[in-house]
Amino acid sequence: DGGITQSPKYLFRKEGQNVTLSCEQNLNHDAMYWYRQDPGQGLRLIYYSQIVNDFQKGDIAEGYSVSREKKESFPLTVTSAQKNPTAFYLCATGTGGSTEAFFGQGTRLTVV
Amino acid sequence: RKEVEQDPGPFNVPEGATVAFNCTYSNSASQSFFWYRQDCRKEPKLLMSVYSSGNEDGRFTAQLNRASQYISLLIRDSKLSDSATYLCVVTSDSWGKLQFGAGTQVVVTP
Repeated sequence: DGGITQSPKYLFRKEGQNVTLSCEQNLNHDAMYWYRQDPGQGLRLIYYSQIVNDFQKGDIAEGYSVSREKKESFPLTVTSAQKNPTAFYLCATGTGGSTEAFFGQGTRLTVV
Repeated sequence: RKEVEQDPGPFNVPEGATVAFNCTYSNSASQSFFWYRQDCRKEPKLLMSVYSSGNEDGRFTAQLNRASQYISLLIRDSKLSDSATYLCVVTSDSWGKLQFGAGTQVVVTP
C-alpha cells in the first residue's frame, strides 16, 4: 500500500523517558514534517526536512530531535527535556514547493 | 499575532443549509492556500486547494481575497457527514512550510 505509516498508534511512557516515534513513507516525497496537536488547538510544526541528511527546526523544536538518514524515514524522538509531551503527533510528507501535505494516521503519546 | 487565524465555532448548521466561514492570514507573501478537513481524533485530510480565481468542488466553494488577506469556505446543502473541523492552511516560503489555523468546527444537525 502506498502512503505514510506512523507507529505506534498509541504510546504510553513514564515521565523522564525518551521515546521515538516512527514515520515511514513510500510516496517518494522529498519533504517530511512533524507536527504536534493539542486538544482544541491547531497543528504546530516541530521539525521539517526537505532532503536526506538535512532538517530544520520548526516553531516548537525544544525537547525534540529528529534524523533523516533515508528518504523514506523521519523518526522523531521526544526527549525528557520536553516539558509537556502528552499530545497527538502527526507526520506529513509533501513534494515541497507550494504544494499540499499528506498525513499519517498519527501517534497519541501519553506520558504518565 | 498568529499567522493564520480562524473562528473556532462551533457553527451549528441544520441539514441542508449553507454555512460559510473565513480564515485570515498575516503574511502578505503567502503563496498557497488549502482547506483541510479533520474528523475527531483523526489525521487532517486535504479538502481542496484555494486558487486565486476561486474554485468549486461539488458543494464546496473556496475563495481567496489577497487584498484583505483571507480565504473562505462555503458549504452548500450541508450533510450530516460534513460535521468536522475545517483547517485553513497557508504556505509562505518557497519550499512550502505549512502554517495551520486552529480550525473551525462545523456541526450539522438533523
